[in-house]
Amino acid sequence: SQQGEEDPQALSIQEGENATMNCSYKTSINNLQWYRQNSGRGLVHLILIRSNEREKHSGRLRVTLDTSKKSSSLLITASRAADTASYFCARGRMDSSYKLIFGSGTRLLVRP
Amino acid sequence: NAGVMQNPRHLVRRRGQEARLRCSPMKGHSHVYWYRQLPEEGLKFMVYLQKENIIDESGMPKERFSAEFPKEGPSILRIQQVVRGDSAAYFCASSPQGLAGGTDTQYFGPGTRLTVL
Repeated sequence: SQQGEEDPQALSIQEGENATMNCSYKTSINNLQWYRQNSGRGLVHLILIRSNEREKHSGRLRVTLDTSKKSSSLLITASRAADTASYFCARGRMDSSYKLIFGSGTRLLVRP
Repeated sequence: NAGVMQNPRHLVRRRGQEARLRCSPMKGHSHVYWYRQLPEEGLKFMVYLQKENIIDESGMPKERFSAEFPKEGPSILRIQQVVRGDSAAYFCASSPQGLAGGTDTQYFGPGTRLTVL
């Protein structure tokens, strides 16, 4: 499958701890985007990282991209209960970057 | 600036009926994408449209499904003769530049949850 894997599938942490989610893929990409989805809701765009970038920050979020290993990670620092959600990485392929390919997501639970 | 709007948010249909899902992109966006999400899964690309043009419909089932984005009005995803397997959440996204922009962030709507009885 070209969708790749996200791990872990589920993650439960205490408020204040850091959460790390990983995303691996198989085909060459143009960009990689991370989204958050609260239960039963739409997707909220978090960060886009291009294939020629290695790291990006946005507030408490840090995304890394290793194209040699075909993997990316999302780090949420000092987590809050409101961070509880599913997190998806979506890859834009080289030949059709608009056609985002989503993994099955990581379900994060932040316990107060 | 209003985000991507979708309606209805919830839609119930009986087998054999038609489902029409609407999507209004963000202001200034002329590129629309439809995705389908089954329970506990990620989103799967269905179709990419610009005004009056279908750019890529490679993810759309060949039968019963169609999409349009007319010059005026919202984009419509139409499912004819629905079956239980069509039950899913359907998300629309929009972007300002699409292909011309190269790397383009897609902004998602809240989705329409279709239930087929």
